[in-house]
Amino acid sequence: AQKITQTQPGMFVQEKEAVTLDCTYDTSDQSYGLFWYKQPSSGEMIFLIYQGSYDEQNATEGRYSLNFQKARKSANLVISASQLGDSAMYFCAMRETSSGGSYIPTFGRGTSLIVHP
Amino acid sequence: DSGVTQTPKHLITATGQRVTLRCSPRSGDLSVYWYQQSLDQGLQFLIQYYNGEERAKGNILERFSAQQFPDLHSELNLSSLELGDSALYFCASSVGVDGAYEQYFGPGTRLTVT
Repeated sequence: AQKITQTQPGMFVQEKEAVTLDCTYDTSDQSYGLFWYKQPSSGEMIFLIYQGSYDEQNATEGRYSLNFQKARKSANLVISASQLGDSAMYFCAMRETSSGGSYIPTFGRGTSLIVHP
Repeated sequence: DSGVTQTPKHLITATGQRVTLRCSPRSGDLSVYWYQQSLDQGLQFLIQYYNGEERAKGNILERFSAQQFPDLHSELNLSSLELGDSALYFCASSVGVDGAYEQYFGPGTRLTVT
């Protein structure tokens, strides 16, 4: 079973509108972390935002916010006031503990976001 | 610019060959992670080193190996290359050991096996 599921292979949004990118996760750990990364067409991976499983407040970083619903095991990324430069692939990732006690990162398959002018 | 450097940027080689990819982490970061990104497998975690010691292992093939040197740079060695090893290989670094901190990715090395 996939540990990180991103059900939207592609999303379109009008410039200046808000958009939500979905992410659900599967873990039995009590302590875990959730991340979002952006990969523009140039290929580099850019860290956007982090949410710890024990953080009670939703994480925010500028125009990015993470809608964390622990009971539903979802960690959706909300981008407010979309810009043309937001067009990219977006990856949701989770850090959880392996059976050996180390921390293993797992990435979803990504969502392609296109921002229209 | 993330501060993580990777060389080479592109690599073309033949099946059966061996290559070495190099990564220098951001100044101050002790953890180095290696990932493989391909169209069919997505982004797969391979291995993590922390301050010279192997810390976590993911889906790394036995033909692949890595190490982290005292100056904290890391190398990923890929041997007996197959066509399916063609992919973008990323190195990332972070401050901590446990993945609680964000990772900063290098620009990647695109490997093409012909």
